[in-house]
Amino acid sequence: GENVEQHPSTLSVQEGDSAVIKCTYSDSASNYFPWYKQELGKRPQLIIDIRSNVGEKKDQRIAVTLNKTAKHFSLHITETQPEDSAVYFCAASSMGFKTIFGAGTRLFVKA
Amino acid sequence: DADVTQTPRNRITKTGKRIMLECSQTKGHDRMYWYRQDPGLGLRLIYYSFDVKDINKGEISDGYSVSRQAQAKFSLSLESAIPNQTALYFCATTGTTGTGELFFGEGSRLTVL
Repeated sequence: GENVEQHPSTLSVQEGDSAVIKCTYSDSASNYFPWYKQELGKRPQLIIDIRSNVGEKKDQRIAVTLNKTAKHFSLHITETQPEDSAVYFCAASSMGFKTIFGAGTRLFVKA
Repeated sequence: DADVTQTPRNRITKTGKRIMLECSQTKGHDRMYWYRQDPGLGLRLIYYSFDVKDINKGEISDGYSVSRQAQAKFSLSLESAIPNQTALYFCATTGTTGTGELFFGEGSRLTVL
């Protein structure tokens, strides 16, 4: 069945450094790749997404890259800030039918 | 953001009891989902529904059932709760013609003793 693997499970960085989270997916039909951020005690919320016809997308300090051939996609956060501390989930979806999530990465940004 | 509402928010119950978690939404979305969150395991899909007459099993449907009472309402039931069903449960919705973004409820924390 469909599977999304996410690494690392925990990531600790100094404020101002960059953070990178990597995911791989198994379903070749996947064409939508969202990233969700979940702050402590809150619900997951979309922070950025990318579709299969695009290789890279950027929104201020956040960027996502997609390599469809290798079935890899990554989240890059630059100039990290303490408020970036949260759990981040990657996900893959085919035509928006159902979304399968990775196991999550807990990001700590040390001030 | 009260567009996706889950009740109850917290529930403690005993093994063998029947539990229902309810989800209602005011977004006008057709697609509704139930996910379970466990530490280190991410969000796993239990059931999903694309309209009132459509119900589909997800990754981990065993021990659960669902009911789509109306376009805006999607309930998750545990017929006979067991301790390893202790988890945080999220309802989510998305529109048919939208971007694919999932909108989550605030979650229902269930503890089975």
